[in-house]
Amino acid sequence: LAKTTQPISMDSYEGQEVNITCSHNNIATNDYITWYQQFPSQGPRFIIQGYKTKVTNEVASLFIPADRKSSTLSLPRVSLSDTAVYYCLVAPYTGGFKTIFGAGTRLFVKA
Amino acid sequence: EPEVTQTPSHQVTQMGQEVILRCVPISNHLYFYWYRQILGQKVEFLVSFYNNEISEKSEIFDDQFSVERPDGSNFTLKIRSTKLEDSAMYFCASSEPGQVTYEQYFGPGTRLTVT
Repeated sequence: LAKTTQPISMDSYEGQEVNITCSHNNIATNDYITWYQQFPSQGPRFIIQGYKTKVTNEVASLFIPADRKSSTLSLPRVSLSDTAVYYCLVAPYTGGFKTIFGAGTRLFVKA
Repeated sequence: EPEVTQTPSHQVTQMGQEVILRCVPISNHLYFYWYRQILGQKVEFLVSFYNNEISEKSEIFDDQFSVERPDGSNFTLKIRSTKLEDSAMYFCASSEPGQVTYEQYFGPGTRLTVT
């Protein structure tokens, strides 16, 4: 499984756009990139998944460059409630789904 | 919106005792998972389960642990002889097969405290 590297923590202010970048230099051809969000004392929640280029949903955008060695989760206009830990996962789509979470990025949104 | 449920929300047990953590996955999901999270640490994969058998397991999931789908709705994690270091939040998750997605739906967790 590809190793991922994310910043340990980030601070932002309400209303700002936040970009969290994840490095995955040894990503394999059949690997997908998935981001999860976790609030304290809750289970992780799926945010977005992509393979290449750009993916957007109602919550976030995911930018993946052509070499796929990194990815950037973009959260538009964050609010205090976006304060959470954000995890980048890289894994192949195969039966079994051995999902490995890294340390994540702790985002703190200030008023 | 359908959700994964877990019971109990908090379980306190003495070292050496057996515990069973229960989960009800989303009804049309076919892949099931258990994770644990020790306080202040990352989420750790324990096991995935499909078609009534274990698909993958981590090195944490040793002989002390077992999983079962005793009926059409429940998915359980049994810890045979609990140790102090088993104290953690245990999350159950489920996902649909047949899609290219890692969208797993997590339950609210069971906080296990071993004394």
